[in-house]
Amino acid sequence: SQQGEEDPQALSIQEGENATMNCSYKTSINNLQWYRQNSGRGLVHLILIRSNEREKHSGRLRVTLDTSKKSSSLLITASRAADTASYFCATQESTSGSRLTFGEGTQLTVNP
Amino acid sequence: EAGVVQSPRYKIIEKKQPVAFWCNPISGHNTLYWYLQNLGQGPELLIRYENEEAVDDSQLPKDRFSAERLKGVDSTLKIQPAELGDSAVYLCASSLGQRGEETQYFGPGTRLLVL
Repeated sequence: SQQGEEDPQALSIQEGENATMNCSYKTSINNLQWYRQNSGRGLVHLILIRSNEREKHSGRLRVTLDTSKKSSSLLITASRAADTASYFCATQESTSGSRLTFGEGTQLTVNP
Repeated sequence: EAGVVQSPRYKIIEKKQPVAFWCNPISGHNTLYWYLQNLGQGPELLIRYENEEAVDDSQLPKDRFSAERLKGVDSTLKIQPAELGDSAVYLCASSLGQRGEETQYFGPGTRLLVL
């Protein structure tokens, strides 16, 4: 079963613009992770944010976490055509050990 | 450093036939995962191993699916017999096995088509 719901399902922007994707989840979590998947490189880990953190940065990525609303957002700044991919949030729940539960993903298209 | 290796990359079989997938995790990673990914959806966990032990197989359809991880390294996932609905991508992932923060490293997957 999928825990996360991602919004939007698909997003199309121009190169140089920012892209924001949102994820909502249902249970208590230890951490929330974002992954990227494209046909060339498979599923790749991008960033992890712990339940006691509110914001985290990695290069052009900014992730926020609001545990009171059970939601997270991923911001990609100054997007590039190479950012075109599906982006998934995945939660590691407090009670399930190492299990990651993925959302259904957002398909991002960055047009040159 | 070599990543997670999976084979075959693609497999086409007829329904009711058996099929097996192989995974070699990153060296030193104690935890190994098998996921199922249907088109347009996120991966769903089938089974998780810590070393040789299957510690989370609650979502593995045990009537037709089986898995093993002998010697705590390589793993195989088998389906017998395959059904049309099993067509999907089967992903293997591994992680160091440190509880609390599990960054998982995924292989390229095996794309299965059941005719």
